[in-house]
Amino acid sequence: QSALTQPASVSGSPGQSITISCTGTSGDVGGDKYVSWYQQHPGNAPKLMINDVSIRPSGVSSRFSGSKSGNTASLTISGLQAEDEADYYCCSRTKSGTYVFGTGTKVTVL
Amino acid sequence: QVHLEQSGAEVKKPGASVRVSCKASGYTFSSYNIQWVRQAPGQGLEWMGVIDPSGGHPLYAQRFQGRFTMTTDTSTSTVYMQLSSLISDDTAVYYCIREPIALCYFDYWGQGTLVTVSS
Repeated sequence: QSALTQPASVSGSPGQSITISCTGTSGDVGGDKYVSWYQQHPGNAPKLMINDVSIRPSGVSSRFSGSKSGNTASLTISGLQAEDEADYYCCSRTKSGTYVFGTGTKVTVL
Repeated sequence: QVHLEQSGAEVKKPGASVRVSCKASGYTFSSYNIQWVRQAPGQGLEWMGVIDPSGGHPLYAQRFQGRFTMTTDTSTSTVYMQLSSLISDDTAVYYCIREPIALCYFDYWGQGTLVTVSS
């Protein structure tokens, strides 16, 4: 199972919006609704930010939103803040019931 | 509150095996799957496998088939992972994670256990 494809890095100025893409296949991302996103600050465990493509768990800022079109899922961060600087990973269940993560995206706040 | 407490860092020689424990608390142990994910230094996340603590059949990533085993002890709400025939590329932080059964997302993560494989 190959990792889902994400851009290596995305940057933006405070207040701007950025979007991170996550491209897979019809056997994973395109197959069902089970795409989730995780934020990881250096030295910390990842944190769930989005589940089921676009559901925001309790406590996660409304500035984070998710969507999907075909085999590509996206995470948008609006009103970018310094604290958003981190690594972001997408994850999808596959048709065989296993899971696959994205390659990871480093978000830099300029 | 939900907490997953993992065992401490390990240093192993190539060819050896390592066992990492993950003790769950703050929720009904049998109602959630436990997933294992690892992260090599400076690298991304890699899914390893999932186990249903209530007795379901474990599911392993194909690349770890045959040398990765997950077991549960319901009496202590603990899940164990064992990785055998270690090589230097197995050096990584290993995370246990809670997954609401059939909901396919990872909501609580352990603190991670660093396993170093070095001769």
